[in-house]
Amino acid sequence: NAGVTQTPKFQVLKTGQSMTLQCAQDMNHNSMYWYRQDPGMGLRLIYYSASEGTTDKGEVPNGYNVSRLNKREFSLRLESAAPSQTSVYFCASRESGANVLTFGAGSRLTVL
Amino acid sequence: DQQVKQNSPSLSVQEGRISILNCDYTNSMFDYFLWYKKYPAEGPTFLISISSIKDKNEDGRFTVFLNKSAKHLSLHIVPSQPGDSAVYFCAAKGNNRLAFGKGNQVVVIP
Repeated sequence: NAGVTQTPKFQVLKTGQSMTLQCAQDMNHNSMYWYRQDPGMGLRLIYYSASEGTTDKGEVPNGYNVSRLNKREFSLRLESAAPSQTSVYFCASRESGANVLTFGAGSRLTVL
Repeated sequence: DQQVKQNSPSLSVQEGRISILNCDYTNSMFDYFLWYKKYPAEGPTFLISISSIKDKNEDGRFTVFLNKSAKHLSLHIVPSQPGDSAVYFCAAKGNNRLAFGKGNQVVVIP
């Protein structure tokens, strides 16, 4: 099915470990986003990429890096994971000129 | 600083009755508003939206009302069905990105 695919779905890390969350979309969308969802906090924007080759910080970028590898793929990297980064991470994409974001199924990350 | 606010974190409603969810925003530059629905262990899915130039948009059982002067929007679901039990997020678009509220948990009682 067309859409946004995130890997892995689940991951457990120890404090200080690094990892990369992968996201790919096959809808030819220009813009891609990474959000995190925490209980009582809603969805908060970490980073976004308005188009291939550009990335910008969102509300909560500290501790994360991103790479817009090509038009399809947008990865989120945690260089040194902290327990405060325990969360559910959602990738989303949007077509140019459209207002609706299409979300992936999420990646649940636990940092011990 | 939360730009999109959803109070009343949870709502229980009897099947067949109306569910009303409220959302307030602070940034007058927002030009488009959306509601998303989220089931456990799934990503949010788009439900309904409204442009800032309109005051009402209807899609089947779902209606969104926008009051720009009050910076307030609401989602009406009527009649509510058990399958509507989910978390509902209000979102506002500005500057190429969406700002989300904290979400409302809706439970529809059969």
